[in-house]
Amino acid sequence: DAGVIQSPRHEVTEMGQEVTLRCKPISGHNSLFWYRQTMMRGLELLIYFNNNVPIDDSGMPEDRFSAKMPNASFSTLKIQPSEPRDSAVYFCASSLQREGEQFFGPGTRLTVL
Amino acid sequence: RKEVEQDPGPFNVPEGATVAFNCTYSNSASQSFFWYRQDCRKEPKLLMSVYSSGNEDGRFTAQLNRASQYISLLIRDSKLSDSATYLCVVNSASGDDKIIFGKGTRLHILP
Repeated sequence: DAGVIQSPRHEVTEMGQEVTLRCKPISGHNSLFWYRQTMMRGLELLIYFNNNVPIDDSGMPEDRFSAKMPNASFSTLKIQPSEPRDSAVYFCASSLQREGEQFFGPGTRLTVL
Repeated sequence: RKEVEQDPGPFNVPEGATVAFNCTYSNSASQSFFWYRQDCRKEPKLLMSVYSSGNEDGRFTAQLNRASQYISLLIRDSKLSDSATYLCVVNSASGDDKIIFGKGTRLHILP
């Protein structure tokens, strides 16, 4: 069982560049979550999908952030243009159902210079 | 009042001791609760769910107090490997339908 897969594991980019983070959830899981974690703000839910449909994106900080889930096995989180304050660890998680145990991927550590 | 609040710690506890920490929540409509554990530079992992009647898993006991709106985690006979950050999760599942993680409590078990 591969668990939740995220790529890249580390990303260093310059301000203004586009950043795309990728996630493959556990097969059979219906819910997918994107989180951002920083020391100051802790773990924040950005958006979650149920059966590939975005249900709640109220946590997305601004229009520079967008997320898609074109099929049950793949999701992306895009930041365009990136800013230094976007530097954080971004986690993807999946679960069988929204209220159940969430399985987290290893995270993508993003640094925007 | 913050939606989910935890004492950030760190709690420095000698090996073998018992330690407990709480997590308070503001939404009385919250329906499900969890404790996650996060090791340094790793992803969070589920430690245990918190049931209304309380539940125990080995050295770990979780309790829910709906009247005072908090959940607790008790660790008995603490081990060095228990050193981690413990995150509480509150799921409203009604109304605003939010999943909220606390910022976590850091625990250091001292040899």
